[in-house]
Amino acid sequence: DGGITQSPKYLFRKEGQNVTLSCEQNLNHDAMYWYRQDPGQGLRLIYYSQIVNDFQKGDIAEGYSVSREKKESFPLTVTSAQKNPTAFYLCASSIPRNRETQYFGPGTRLLVL
Amino acid sequence: DQQVKQNSPSLSVQEGRISILNCDYTNSMFDYFLWYKKYPAEGPTFLISISSIKDKNEDGRFTVFLNKSAKHLSLHIVPSQPGDSAVYFCAASDNNAGNMLTFGGGTRLMVKP
Repeated sequence: DGGITQSPKYLFRKEGQNVTLSCEQNLNHDAMYWYRQDPGQGLRLIYYSQIVNDFQKGDIAEGYSVSREKKESFPLTVTSAQKNPTAFYLCASSIPRNRETQYFGPGTRLLVL
Repeated sequence: DQQVKQNSPSLSVQEGRISILNCDYTNSMFDYFLWYKKYPAEGPTFLISISSIKDKNEDGRFTVFLNKSAKHLSLHIVPSQPGDSAVYFCAASDNNAGNMLTFGGGTRLMVKP
């Protein structure tokens, strides 16, 4: 059945290390999104992509990078430039039309060693 | 500057009673609103939405009310059940911003048996 998968569920990062979070969807959605959630806070948009080979920065893109080489995949790299990476990362997808619901994956928790 | 605010970080309700979760927004361009429900360590799931042309939308035990003049919306859950215990996020979108969502900080609902 269709859905969004994120891996790994937990990820540990050492100081100065880049890590990549995986997001895959088989919903045939053109649009994909990455959000960050911190304790007690709402979801903040990191990057989004409305179509393959195109993506835009969200509200908190600094220290992150993405690629969109395939419709199904939208990996997020947390670079060493992101000084406070500990958070819960959520990937979502939708049809890129107004009022279309965004569907979320189960999330990846990133922790710094 | 938070454009979508959920001023109550938590709410405790007895099973069978009504739960009322509130959300305020400041951006008058928002014209579509959604509620998502989130369990710990999982992604949010879509619950219910409302367009600004309506002031009420109902789906089973869940009803969302929109007061445009007050820039306020609320989610009513009647009757509340222990399985409703989760964090609820309010989100809003602007017709000119495609399918981008702005999220509130969330309200943790605890339904006591």
